[in-house]
Amino acid sequence: DTGVSQNPRHKITKRGQNVTFRCDPISEHNRLYWYRQTLGQGPEFLTYFQNEAQLEKSRLLSDRFSAERPKGSFSTLEIQRTEQGDSAMYLCASSSGPGTLFFGPGTRLTVT
Amino acid sequence: GESVGLHLPTLSVQEGDNSIINCAYSNSASDYFIWYKQESGKGPQFIIDIRSNMDKRQGQRVTVLLNKTVKHLSLQIAATQPGDSAVYFCAENMLGTYKYIFGTGTRLKVLA
Repeated sequence: DTGVSQNPRHKITKRGQNVTFRCDPISEHNRLYWYRQTLGQGPEFLTYFQNEAQLEKSRLLSDRFSAERPKGSFSTLEIQRTEQGDSAMYLCASSSGPGTLFFGPGTRLTVT
Repeated sequence: GESVGLHLPTLSVQEGDNSIINCAYSNSASDYFIWYKQESGKGPQFIIDIRSNMDKRQGQRVTVLLNKTVKHLSLQIAATQPGDSAVYFCAENMLGTYKYIFGTGTRLKVLA
């Protein structure tokens, strides 16, 4: 257990529905990342927060995706109008600065 | 749980033998490297890291070697155990930036 928690661990939804995932980073970490991972691939960067500021969004993040970190602590990732191609593992990671990323267990999304 | 990396390169080793997992990184300006272990259905777990001012670093049963000339990283696991079975990813980073780039991973299978 790295100290990063994610909820839910699994989500099955129908195409077109909206889903929201939550990440609670290690409490003293000011940096928070979202990654997406599909079978057979390494994690792909989605977005990065330093405190409450979202400093970077990947081109992978279409306008159906939005992430927030309102108080610089927990973060949410919302996907609107889900598509089957959104099925993946969504990973959250945090760090206290430059250096090691600590990952949570991930949320496995299945869009049917 | 669902397996990570069904189509990844696979390294099979006998229990008790040493394992060597290789990674070619992409950016010659990267100066920080991390090895992660990912078990099925879980998030990546930190194993060991190395900065570019070093060419070797040892941990408990693990050693990371860095060859900047050819942009190559390796992870050596001594006396491989069944619990080492997982997918292993390398990640590269430029210190002072927030971007971490992950390799595609290698599946390690430990044979009893």
